[in-house]
Amino acid sequence: AQSVTQLDSQVPVFEEAPVELRCNYSSSVSVYLFWYVQYPNQGLQLLLKYLSGSTLVESINGFEAEFNKSQTSFHLRKPSVHISDTAEYFCAVSESPGANNLFFGTGTRLTVIP
Amino acid sequence: DAGVIQSPRHEVTEMGQEVTLRCKPISGHNSLFWYRQTMMRGLELLIYFNNNVPIDDSGMPEDRFSAKMPNASFSTLKIQPSEPRDSAVYFCASSLWTSGHNEQFFGPGTRLTVL
Repeated sequence: AQSVTQLDSQVPVFEEAPVELRCNYSSSVSVYLFWYVQYPNQGLQLLLKYLSGSTLVESINGFEAEFNKSQTSFHLRKPSVHISDTAEYFCAVSESPGANNLFFGTGTRLTVIP
Repeated sequence: DAGVIQSPRHEVTEMGQEVTLRCKPISGHNSLFWYRQTMMRGLELLIYFNNNVPIDDSGMPEDRFSAKMPNASFSTLKIQPSEPRDSAVYFCASSLWTSGHNEQFFGPGTRLTVL
């Protein structure tokens, strides 16, 4: 069985400061890993994903995440956050290849303080 | 593409009434997912379909909930009778499922309030 743990339910950070949102997973097989973002009153949007290849993946708005197999982690980082990054962030995992459903973490609410 | 379309966006009803939520997946996608999001429980997968066939409905809370996908472009989630604890945001998502993993695209959600 697969599961995802997001240890921090809320992360407040000042504007232009760095941030790390933690995600750990458990699985007995190879996995695909995802970060989704949910802005207020909207659905979830894919932020970035790891399927294979380079363990460091980046999004178009400056976020990056690194797949660490030995630590079963996929932490999300940004060196300098903006007010517009305020949102809820969900880490998700699926079995690879061929799995269709995702297992989501409980989410981390990032609040950027001016 | 218009993305995943859900209707209604907001629904307020009284306890005991039937509620029907609707979803139109992205054209060409062959998998559809229904999720429920609450403050207490977070995001929960209720049921998902592959090629219009229900694959896993273990997340459906109880017999009051039912979901159908009569064709590739339409799905419904029905609650009958509704209860106040069903109040939540219900999301529909779709994906193009092939041999590899495929990104799920979420709709804007339906905010359900049961009084």
